[in-house]
Amino acid sequence: DIVLTQSPVLAVSLGQRATISCRASQSVSISSINLMHWYQQKPGQQPKLLIYRASNLASGIPARFSGSGSGTDFTLTIDPVQADDIAAYYCQQSRESPLYTFGAGTKLELK
Amino acid sequence: EVQLVESGGGLVQPGRSLKLSCAASGFTFSDYAMAWVRQAPKKGLEWVATIIYDGSSTYYRDSVKGRFTISRDNAKSTLYLQMDSLRSEDTATYYCARPSSDWDNFDYWGQGVMVTVSS
Repeated sequence: DIVLTQSPVLAVSLGQRATISCRASQSVSISSINLMHWYQQKPGQQPKLLIYRASNLASGIPARFSGSGSGTDFTLTIDPVQADDIAAYYCQQSRESPLYTFGAGTKLELK
Repeated sequence: EVQLVESGGGLVQPGRSLKLSCAASGFTFSDYAMAWVRQAPKKGLEWVATIIYDGSSTYYRDSVKGRFTISRDNAKSTLYLQMDSLRSEDTATYYCARPSSDWDNFDYWGQGVMVTVSS
């Protein structure tokens, strides 16, 4: 199984840039298609898709969210961070679809 | 508008069974694979099972194989998860989720239903 590793917590100030990382135990890219996706989850709510295939913004997601990376290293960037962005963020791989795995999540907190 | 509404959760004793349902609307249910994803209290997300559009193939994580059964009724636009031989480690919020058309990601999620396995 592909294991995804995320830092548990990231503290950031409002208006600053937040960079959340996700490292895979093996490559999740196939022929330049990067099978990594990002979700936001606020307390008491269901997850929401933010970014698909590493860098594509999901429908209705603000442009301050962006994603990058390939192979085993991926990044979700929020710039600038707003109060509404305080949440947990999860990466998910589909390289081994339909056997999906998620990272343990990064909790974005205010500094 | 796509909607996924789960039901059937609750408190159940270890070793007993429970069946979850997910009523779908706002899209052609029979065109899509469907999945269950769970989240233990204060923990991360964990994929549980996937069923293809016509129900002819199913996939499970190892820890639930032989105990959980995913199924669907396309005439009713409803997804199910039959959970047998429940264990305390199955305690979680269970989300119904729709995989994207290329099976990459989960583009829609239900609000979740809580399952507590305890004596």
